[in-house]
Amino acid sequence: GAGVSQSPSNKVTEKGKDVELRCDPISGHTALYWYRQSLGQGLEFLIYFQGNSAPDKSGLPSDRFSAERTGGSVSTLTIQRTQQEDSAVYLCASSNVGSGADTQYFGPGTRLTVL
Amino acid sequence: ILNVEQSPQSLHVQEGDSTNFTCSFPSSNFYALHWYRWETAKSPEALFVMTLNGDEKKKGRISATLNTKEGYSYLYIKGSQPEDSATYLCASLNSGGGADGLTFGKGTHLIIQP
Repeated sequence: GAGVSQSPSNKVTEKGKDVELRCDPISGHTALYWYRQSLGQGLEFLIYFQGNSAPDKSGLPSDRFSAERTGGSVSTLTIQRTQQEDSAVYLCASSNVGSGADTQYFGPGTRLTVL
Repeated sequence: ILNVEQSPQSLHVQEGDSTNFTCSFPSSNFYALHWYRWETAKSPEALFVMTLNGDEKKKGRISATLNTKEGYSYLYIKGSQPEDSATYLCASLNSGGGADGLTFGKGTHLIIQP
C-alpha cells in the first residue's frame, strides 16, 4: 500500500510568513509523529498524535508552532511568523498503534528554507 | 534530557569489508531501541526495533545487538556493498512504554568505497 506522504517537498518562505506542512499517514495507522532535522543536528521530536489527540506537545520549540490532526488521518504542522532558525527538514512518521516498540514509518520530508 | 550518542560520526569502508558502529543511550526507564537507515533523498527506513536485553536481530547482511543494562547497541554490516552507503540512525524510547517520540542520535554516515 501507499506509504507516508508529505507536501510540499520543498518550501522557501520569507521570514515572518506563516507556513503549513501536510502529512498523510499510512491508512489505518493511529499514531502520527512530527520530527525535524536542523543542519548538523539529529532528528528532533516535535509532537505526537494518538488518533486526533496530541497527548505530548512538549517537543514544540515555541508557541509559533502548532499541529492538528483531523479524522484520525491527515495532519498539518503550522509555523507562524517563521524565523531563520526554523529552516530544517520536517519529517512525519506514522505507526500502527503507537506503542513505543512499534515501527515508525517515515515520509520523505518537507525541506523548509526561511530567508 | 536524554542523550543518544552514535559513533563514529562517519566511516569509510572498502567494498566487501565488514564494519560496525555504536549507539549509546540512557539505560534508565529503557523501553525500546530503534535502528533506521536513511539514504539521501529518501525516507528513513526502519531496520530493527529491539526491546530485550541481550536481543540480537538480523536482516540479510545487517545485524544488531542490544545491552540495556549498560545502554548500548551495535549495528554490524557483513560484506559491505555500495548500496549500504547511507546514514544509520539509532533512537531510544525511555518513557516506560507509553507512545512517545523517539530520541535520535546524530547518526553514523557510512560510505562504501568500490
